[in-house]
Amino acid sequence: NAGVTQTPKFRILKIGQSMTLQCAQDMNHNYMYWYRQDPGMGLKLIYYSVGAGITDKGEVPNGYNVSRSTTEDFPLRLELAAPSQTSVYFCASSYIAGGTEAFFGQGTRLTVV
Amino acid sequence: AQSVTQLGSHVSVSEGALVLLRCNYSSSVPPYLFWYVQYPNQGLQLLLKYTTGATLVKGINGFEAEFKKSETSFHLTKPSAHMSDAAEYFCAVTLPSGSARQLTFGSGTQLTVLP
Repeated sequence: NAGVTQTPKFRILKIGQSMTLQCAQDMNHNYMYWYRQDPGMGLKLIYYSVGAGITDKGEVPNGYNVSRSTTEDFPLRLELAAPSQTSVYFCASSYIAGGTEAFFGQGTRLTVV
Repeated sequence: AQSVTQLGSHVSVSEGALVLLRCNYSSSVPPYLFWYVQYPNQGLQLLLKYTTGATLVKGINGFEAEFKKSETSFHLTKPSAHMSDAAEYFCAVTLPSGSARQLTFGSGTQLTVLP
């Protein structure tokens, strides 16, 4: 099994551009998450989904949008890129919330210039 | 709301020495606790977790952690460091009945292993 797959691995955007970070999982997990990781700050939850068609905001949702049309896919959209969105983005999935393990993708390193 | 504090953003140990990475949490109810490891340019990988039962939990690669309710701590240890242990380590907490948004990560500890 591939687990959680993120594309692209690296991307440079200009201010005001838009892009979609792709995330797919093949473990039939209901829960999927998007985190951003900034140096010394740990991981902050951007959005999450508890199943197809259901999404909700996390701690830092401003400037992002998500959709969940299938169990497998959970893309993250940046509409108007800003330098503050320079970060490493991780997608994760889990079978349920609470005490179960979250499985992470390898990350997308995004730079906005 | 729960929170996690990792003491020491950088820890250096010699190969073969004890590894001790500190994690303290704040929670209104007994939480579930996790340690994740992140190798360079990789995603996070679960090392170990505590949910209920035995307070000393063993994980992969020889790591273990002990849940101490009285000290609100969940420190990660390994008796003898190996060069391959060099990575960033994250402590995380969630509530037993937690929703998906309640998994909270600490700021991470970068472990360097010196030859």
